[in-house]
Amino acid sequence: EAQVTQNPRYLITVTGKKLTVTCSQNMNHEYMSWYRQDPGLGLRQIYYSMNVEVTDKGDVPEGYKVSRKEKRNFPLILESPSPNQTSLYFCASSLKGQVYEQYFGPGTRLTVT
Amino acid sequence: GENVEQHPSTLSVQEGDSAVIKCTYSDSASNYFPWYKQELGKRPQLIIDIRSNVGEKKDQRIAVTLNKTAKHFSLHITETQPEDSAVYFCAARTPGYSTLTFGKGTMLLVSP
Repeated sequence: EAQVTQNPRYLITVTGKKLTVTCSQNMNHEYMSWYRQDPGLGLRQIYYSMNVEVTDKGDVPEGYKVSRKEKRNFPLILESPSPNQTSLYFCASSLKGQVYEQYFGPGTRLTVT
Repeated sequence: GENVEQHPSTLSVQEGDSAVIKCTYSDSASNYFPWYKQELGKRPQLIIDIRSNVGEKKDQRIAVTLNKTAKHFSLHITETQPEDSAVYFCAARTPGYSTLTFGKGTMLLVSP
């Protein structure tokens, strides 16, 4: 089954404790992206990747890191999480190009206390 | 960069009524406009999209219209049903970029 998976789905952590949210897709998509969703703010892009070893900042990259060592994986790293990073996070992937559908993962609900 | 404004932020209709959600975009070069539906607790999923060389597209009860001159596009849902209740996001993509810029979403509530 073609899909985007994320782990963990739910995470409660404390300020400053490094964490990684994994994202994996099995559709051989070149493009992958991370979004955060907050009430009233919609979906805001954090980072995206056009292909292996190619990453770029989105609209809200501060406090986040990503890597793209393999085509199928695009982990999101929070090296020192803060409470303002409490949010719902979505990974998405698509074929590279202008008009291809983005497929979203199931989401990761992160709470930083 | 591209900026997408979406209205209204919430919309309540009675079952069977029509619903219209409107978006405006800032970059006249944008050429792809998808709409995503997000049910409560679920991931966003594409429901319909339109390219800049097309003025209107329909798929059963949903349709999207695009006015390039005015830089706005709209989602039309006819004969609404309770299962249409969800958050709807519009988005726009500019040539040369694979990124989508999303509107802030519209919460549609369809009452039986």
